[in-house]
Amino acid sequence: DAGVIQSPRHEVTEMGQEVTLRCKPISGHDYLFWYRQTMMRGLELLIYFNNNVPIDDSGMPEDRFSAKMPNASFSTLKIQPSEPRDSAVYFCASSRTLGNTIYFGEGSWLTVV
Amino acid sequence: QQQVKQSPQSLIVQKGGISIINCAYENTAFDYFPWYQQFPGKGPALLIAIRPDVSEKKEGRFTISFNKSAKQFSLHIMDSQPGDSATYFCAASKFSSGSRLTFGEGTQLTVNP
Repeated sequence: DAGVIQSPRHEVTEMGQEVTLRCKPISGHDYLFWYRQTMMRGLELLIYFNNNVPIDDSGMPEDRFSAKMPNASFSTLKIQPSEPRDSAVYFCASSRTLGNTIYFGEGSWLTVV
Repeated sequence: QQQVKQSPQSLIVQKGGISIINCAYENTAFDYFPWYQQFPGKGPALLIAIRPDVSEKKEGRFTISFNKSAKQFSLHIMDSQPGDSATYFCAASKFSSGSRLTFGEGTQLTVNP
């Protein structure tokens, strides 16, 4: 299996620009998670989907953040407009069932200048 | 009730020594306790996991000790090696009833040669 695939791996953007992060979960996994990792706050769950439906978005920091999962093999996390404090590593992860082993992608390293 | 507290925040061990990382949880309904290992530039990956029906699980040099009455579990790395230098996260979930994983804050382990 190819694992969870994320793109881009690295992105540097200017404040105010729109950022779109992409994720392809492992085939057959019904749950998809978006996490953010920073030195200050550690690993934070932003949102997760079950069968393409958003279940819990309570971790999404602000209205500037949005996530979609149009089909079982693709999800996006969008930040518009981006701010320097959004600089972090964003991980996508997937699992077969909730509470089971989560498989993480290699992350998208975002820098907003 | 959903928190998982992890300590220490960072740990330095000499090669060949024992690394010990501790986690405590509050929710007695948790029934799945995995540890994740994250190398720099990579996503976290499952290292070892335990269910509360056993008090210890060993895989190679890695051992989870579980104390249900104290609501604590720990990761022991025997004969620590420089290649073990990474960030370690504990986590917990109500696997049987399908709740998502809650992660600890992470421990940065450095094993000196």
